[in-house]
Amino acid sequence: GAVVSQHPSWVICKSGTSVKIECRSLDFQATTMFWYRQFPKQSLMLMATSNEGSKATYEQGVEKDKFLINHASLTLSTLTVTSAHPEDSSFYICSATTSGRSEQYFGPGTRLTVT
Amino acid sequence: GENVEQHPSTLSVQEGDSAVIKCTYSDSASNYFPWYKQELGKGPQLIIDIRSNVGEKKDQRIAVTLNKTAKHFSLHITETQPEDSAVYFCAASATGGGNKLTFGTGTQLKVEL
Repeated sequence: GAVVSQHPSWVICKSGTSVKIECRSLDFQATTMFWYRQFPKQSLMLMATSNEGSKATYEQGVEKDKFLINHASLTLSTLTVTSAHPEDSSFYICSATTSGRSEQYFGPGTRLTVT
Repeated sequence: GENVEQHPSTLSVQEGDSAVIKCTYSDSASNYFPWYKQELGKGPQLIIDIRSNVGEKKDQRIAVTLNKTAKHFSLHITETQPEDSAVYFCAASATGGGNKLTFGTGTQLKVEL
C-alpha cells in the first residue's frame, strides 16, 4: 500500500519552454501533496504544499508564478515549471499523505534537465 | 522554524557491523520523526518512524530511539548488508505545522564487504 507514482521519470526541455510533472497516489486518497526539489548530493527542500481543491502554499523563496501547482483531485497533483532555465534543472520529488496521518509517501522523482 | 542537524555525513562500515546515525532538532513542537532511505536516482523510502510519545521502536534490523528532553533521535542498523548502502535522511514534523517535514542533511552509508 501507499504507492505514489510520478510521470515522467525524466525529461529534457529547452530553455524558455514549460514542462509538467504529474504525481499520483495509486492506492489511497491524498488530501495533501508536497513538492520537493533536490540538487545533487543535497537534501530535499520543500517547495510547496498543496491540499486537494485549494491553492498551494509556497515556501519562502519559491516563485509561485514559475512553479504552478494544481491539486484538482484526491489522487493527482501536477507541478508545471514555466519558462524553464538551466538553473531549474534538478530532481523533483512529490510526496503524499492523507488527512489525519503524519506519514508521507514519496514518488520516485522526476529528473528535469533544461538545455 | 524547525532545524534538523544530522551526523555523520558519511559512514563506512564492514558488512555485519552496526551503523548509527544521529539527528538533533530544534522545535519542541515536533512530534513525528521519520527516517528515509534514498538510493541513487530514486525517491526516498520510509523505513521507520517514531512519535514523541514513544522512546524506542524496532523493526527487524532497524531501530530508532528518541530523547525528547535532549531533542535528538538516532537510527540504528544492525547486521549491516551491502544492500543497506544508500543515503539516509532523518526528518521532523509537527502536527500543528501542517505535517511539513524538515529534513536533515543526509548520511551516505557504505557497507563494505
